[in-house]
Amino acid sequence: DFQLTQSPSFLSASVGDRVTITCRASQAISTLVAWYQQKPGKAPQLLIYAASTLQSGVPSRFSGSGSGTEFTLTISSLQPDDLGTYYCQQVKSDLFTFGPGTKVEIK
Amino acid sequence: QLQLQESGPGLVKPSQTLSLTCTVSGVSLISANYYWGWIRQPPGRGLEWIGNVYYTGSAYYKPSLKSRVTISLDSSKNQFSLKVNSVTAADTAMYYCARILRHPDGDPFDHWGRGTPVTVSS
Repeated sequence: DFQLTQSPSFLSASVGDRVTITCRASQAISTLVAWYQQKPGKAPQLLIYAASTLQSGVPSRFSGSGSGTEFTLTISSLQPDDLGTYYCQQVKSDLFTFGPGTKVEIK
Repeated sequence: QLQLQESGPGLVKPSQTLSLTCTVSGVSLISANYYWGWIRQPPGRGLEWIGNVYYTGSAYYKPSLKSRVTISLDSSKNQFSLKVNSVTAADTAMYYCARILRHPDGDPFDHWGRGTPVTVSS
């Protein structure tokens, strides 16, 4: 079965810190990865798609990179509004998978 | 402005059928640029993709749920629906509907409904 893993599963960082979350795929998937932010009690929101394309309206401090089996989401300067859980997602052969999530806490 | 709104019973008895509807406003369901999906999230856990439906009516499902799930589309009402048969407590979750953007490098869920909670309990 195709799987996505994320690391770390939890991180605590200070406002202004640079934060990186990694998503690894069990098989090479080119650039077919998206990233979502889910704030507590809210629906997820799309941040990045096609591994590195910023969704309209998303702050430029968010960026994505990677291809093949390893992808990263970077927040260049963590803000208080960035607390929540971040998920990567891929689609392969019309089947979708989400990563298990990375919970981000603000120190 | 695009909006997706889930609706349906919040409580379903074990072994019965869970039925939810997603009403879409601001855009037609009939578009080759988008298709439509359901995702759920059990309490305190991560996101689980359930399945998708295309404007043609063709649907794809998560393999482990395929035997119990049906997703259909009603273009006259601009709605799409989810049915899950033979539910158990493991189907208790927040259920989200979402629009999927067709893109050559992966199809992201670009707009989501607010979600509707469903509890399976007698």
